[in-house]
Amino acid sequence: DQQVKQNSPSLSVQEGRISILNCDYTNSMFDYFLWYKKYPAEGPTFLISISSIKDKNEDGRFTVFLNKSAKHLSLHIVPSQPGDSAVYFCAALPGYGGSQGNLIFGKGTKLSVKP
Amino acid sequence: KAGVTQTPRYLIKTRGQQVTLSCSPISGHRSVSWYQQTPGQGLQFLFEYFSETQRNKGNFPGRFSGRQFSNSRSEMNVSTLELGDSALYLCASSSGVGGQYFGPGTRLTVT
Repeated sequence: DQQVKQNSPSLSVQEGRISILNCDYTNSMFDYFLWYKKYPAEGPTFLISISSIKDKNEDGRFTVFLNKSAKHLSLHIVPSQPGDSAVYFCAALPGYGGSQGNLIFGKGTKLSVKP
Repeated sequence: KAGVTQTPRYLIKTRGQQVTLSCSPISGHRSVSWYQQTPGQGLQFLFEYFSETQRNKGNFPGRFSGRQFSNSRSEMNVSTLELGDSALYLCASSSGVGGQYFGPGTRLTVT
């Protein structure tokens, strides 16, 4: 039973355009959400996060949107660059401020940015 | 600051054997978590240690165990290896604020 779902296993985008990666969750107890990027042969790298009290968080080219009523979040990358090509994981935590050790991950979306 | 380090990076074992993986967190980080990544299941949480105590545990059998030392370094042990244990094992450390920082992983192959 997957609590965090990334329904698109892959996404291809042209350089300079917007990349939108989506994530759905089922557990309303999730309080904090994170996005990670992973290159082959490396561990995931933390990108950006958002707590459930917000609906948007922005950091440079990366923006995460949270729609609690729909249990949906998305990561927007604008503009997309070839170096953004990687697997992106959405992750959730049951409670912010406490343990951050038990992340629940989606299965990832492989983003390819074409020059 | 040095990142999270994991040793060994690659390991080949035979069914029935046991294996110990090591993780050194970022200096000052007291929380260490372990994850298993497989193509079919994605990234799955194994357990988290904080100040030498297991704070959270995922849904894995008792063959998977871990411990944390006073310097926050952590080890993970898998006994009686099965073919299905072949995976990338990732360690992550956290200071409790912000996201977790992952190591490069240990690629375990069980034959």
